[in-house]
Amino acid sequence: KNEVEQSPQNLTAQEGEFITINCSYSVGISALHWLQQHPGGGIVSLFMLSSGKKKHGRLIATINIQEKHSSLHITASHPRDSAVYICAVMNTGNQFYFGTGTSLTVIP
Amino acid sequence: EPEVTQTPSHQVTQMGQEVILRCVPISNHLYFYWYRQILGQKVEFLVSFYNNEISEKSEIFDDQFSVERPDGSNFTLKIRSTKLEDSAMYFCASRRENTDTQYFGPGTRLTVL
Repeated sequence: KNEVEQSPQNLTAQEGEFITINCSYSVGISALHWLQQHPGGGIVSLFMLSSGKKKHGRLIATINIQEKHSSLHITASHPRDSAVYICAVMNTGNQFYFGTGTSLTVIP
Repeated sequence: EPEVTQTPSHQVTQMGQEVILRCVPISNHLYFYWYRQILGQKVEFLVSFYNNEISEKSEIFDDQFSVERPDGSNFTLKIRSTKLEDSAMYFCASRRENTDTQYFGPGTRLTVL
């Protein structure tokens, strides 16, 4: 049983394309995180959301608490955006659950 | 820019041996975490630590695991008697008070033979 589901699992895009990665969760949450894991394994925190929408550069993250769904958008994608994007939630009991990640490849 | 550091980057050990993985969180951070990622699998939460005690732990974090903040800078994860299935990348993370943004270390790859 996966508390966090991501789609798609793999995504290939042409440079410049608009990208959307989706995350659905089944538990009550206090916060949702979007993380980026580089090919070398390092993890970077991109966003923490508890409601609404956040924007950082070309990245936008939204969350709909009622629908238990979040999306990560990348505008004007670039090959350096190639990475695994991970959705993780902290439930109301302060436990963390991670999605399996979406592997993004942006082709020049 | 301050960053979380972890040592060693790669640890190889024999099954049954004890290992200690070390993390130096960012200096003004008060919340500390350990995660693991078995090769090809998703990241899993192990434990969170605040005010010198465990705040939360997952089912994975059994009696073989322990965490400690032995001094003002280090945060360690000890595995008492390693098993083959403990082979994974172990990530440490930390965050400040009043924010949920966690900063991750580069990870320690543990290989149990």
